[in-house]
Amino acid sequence: GESVGLHLPTLSVQEGDNSIINCAYSNSASDYFIWYKQESGKGPQFIIDIRSNMDKRQGQRVTVLLNKTVKHLSLQIAATQPGDSAVYFCAERRPGTYKYIFGTGTRLKVLA
Amino acid sequence: DAGVIQSPRHEVTEMGQEVTLRCKPISGHNSLFWYRQTMMRGLELLIYFNNNVPIDDSGMPEDRFSAKMPNASFSTLKIQPSEPRDSAVYFCASSSQQGGNQPQHFGDGTRLSIL
Repeated sequence: GESVGLHLPTLSVQEGDNSIINCAYSNSASDYFIWYKQESGKGPQFIIDIRSNMDKRQGQRVTVLLNKTVKHLSLQIAATQPGDSAVYFCAERRPGTYKYIFGTGTRLKVLA
Repeated sequence: DAGVIQSPRHEVTEMGQEVTLRCKPISGHNSLFWYRQTMMRGLELLIYFNNNVPIDDSGMPEDRFSAKMPNASFSTLKIQPSEPRDSAVYFCASSSQQGGNQPQHFGDGTRLSIL
């Protein structure tokens, strides 16, 4: 079936460096995308979102880029901190629905 | 601000027993979602409600699973009878569908272990 980023890669980054987490989504008609952060023992926490009519959105220390041509989403974290260590999920929303499809996520490890 | 509240946080029970998971969405949110998370399958949507009405329950795995939302501030997910393969973390999320695109906000989940 369709899926968003089935693989669960691990990204190790030195503290203070920038992190880039990538996600491939499957439905070219998806109109809204979200990045979530999940720490151990907690639920996914909203980080940033982007609509399909945008290609970039910035938040505090985070930037999301959307490339609809290749159905690719990325999350950039500036000056990565130990507290950023978590699993990061992207999610796409199917148009006309409230249904989101989540990937299996990427584990970010911040090295001191 | 109070987020989505789930109870219990952990549940361990023997197979065949009835399990009831509870969720209180964020006040003012009119959509509620139940998810199941496992290592093998990731986050799976089980059911979602809009204005207390079940809209899509296609993700509910079997008739053993049922969900209710008797009012805007409370929902339950029930498994009867429970089986070991139901062991997972169950999340509830809520969102406001007013004003366009709104993200879902998750509770901290119920970790369910069926022995």
